[in-house]
Amino acid sequence: GAVVSQHPSWVICKSGTSVKIECRSLDFQATTMFWYRQFPKQSLMLMATSNEGSKATYEQGVEKDKFLINHASLTLSTLTVTSAHPEDSSFYICSASGASDEQYFGPGTRLTVT
Amino acid sequence: AQSVAQPEDQVNVAEGNPLTVKCTYSVSGNPYLFWYVQYPNRGLQFLLKYITGDNLVKGSYGFEAEFNKSQTSFHLKKPSALVSDSALYFCAVRDRYSGNTPLVFGKGTRLSVIA
Repeated sequence: GAVVSQHPSWVICKSGTSVKIECRSLDFQATTMFWYRQFPKQSLMLMATSNEGSKATYEQGVEKDKFLINHASLTLSTLTVTSAHPEDSSFYICSASGASDEQYFGPGTRLTVT
Repeated sequence: AQSVAQPEDQVNVAEGNPLTVKCTYSVSGNPYLFWYVQYPNRGLQFLLKYITGDNLVKGSYGFEAEFNKSQTSFHLKKPSALVSDSALYFCAVRDRYSGNTPLVFGKGTRLSVIA
């Protein structure tokens, strides 16, 4: 089956620094990638939708200048959390879809901002 | 607008007993329904989906779900629960069968299977 990876699986950074999370489709071309955020014991909240070669579409309330999304190739999308603060600590999950209309989820990245 | 309701935060069941995790949905068009399972600090694993056809959908690990259009429900079931089924379960919906359409998730239901 289709595989989506995320790197890193967990990261700790200091407040004020930036951190980049990668989402890769390993065996298919992902024309669309989604980024979700999950707080402890809560559901997944969609942050943004990115199509390869286009600017990402952000959900209401998500700061596009803080959460920079790049989808420069059909196998890679990156989420950069800029000037991170403790309230940005969360579990970030990406999903990817290609020609099959299925969505495949990555294993998630746990971000802790100290 | 689409929405999913999982009315139970927690479901407890004894090992070997049948389990049900409830889900109701609201969409403006045809519903495309999904169940996912999440283990601690892990991503989501696909269990099953309803697109069209038979209302009873069979999925991974012995799980099944029944689509009920009149009750707008898509409850997840398993005839005999295992301790290893203990996890967080999410119901999700979208109104188009298109990979470009994001899923809308319920809040999740934590299943605890007791030996």
